Amino acid sequence: GQNIDQPTEMTATEGAIVQINCTYQTSGFNGLFWYQQHAGEAPTFLSYNVLDGLEEKGRFSSFLSRSKGYSYLLLKELQMKDSASYLCAVRAWQAGTALIFGKGTTLSVSS
Amino acid sequence: ETGVTQSPTHLIKTRGQQVTLRCSSQSGHNTVSWYQQALGQGPQFIFQYYREEENGRGNFPPRFSGLQFPNYSSELNVNALELDDSALYLCASSPDRVSSYEQYFGPGTRLTVT
Repeated sequence: GQNIDQPTEMTATEGAIVQINCTYQTSGFNGLFWYQQHAGEAPTFLSYNVLDGLEEKGRFSSFLSRSKGYSYLLLKELQMKDSASYLCAVRAWQAGTALIFGKGTTLSVSS
Repeated sequence: ETGVTQSPTHLIKTRGQQVTLRCSSQSGHNTVSWYQQALGQGPQFIFQYYREEENGRGNFPPRFSGLQFPNYSSELNVNALELDDSALYLCASSPDRVSSYEQYFGPGTRLTVT
């Protein structure tokens, strides 16, 4: 089976750095994804990791440790518009490109 | 390049009725996945279609069924609607079943079952 855990809620202030953790258990691991979802909108792709290490893309970075079944999303220089739900998802070989999502972490950024 | 589109945007149905939701995949994409997202939850994988064939299914009962057409657009059908079927239904397309690593989501259909 597959299981993905991430914190339900987090809060932070503008300009700060926040790290959202995700742990997973899955067979046939074939990649970990982070999506951002604003309320009432579709998820939008943020990052993809399939090998161990850090992937950086502007203010967003994502880290993966396959041996630990662990990932984090790092958001720097937080802005109010970063208030959203952040979804961790894994892909398994036997499921093609289908994604198994966690419940999401709601991030609230205050001024 | 046209993105993923879904119709209708919102829908209200009564328990026991049937519903059909539609999705047009992004141009050039041959793989479509459907997800159900209940309020406050992450999307749950329903099934995936690749070149008109079902290519994987999540833990959903048979009353959830689908189709993919030659132009790679897709339908999700739900029979005998239950109150718990109230959710946002998301369609996502990708260029290929395996090699592509990104799914592009449509805006979703909000289904309310009363």
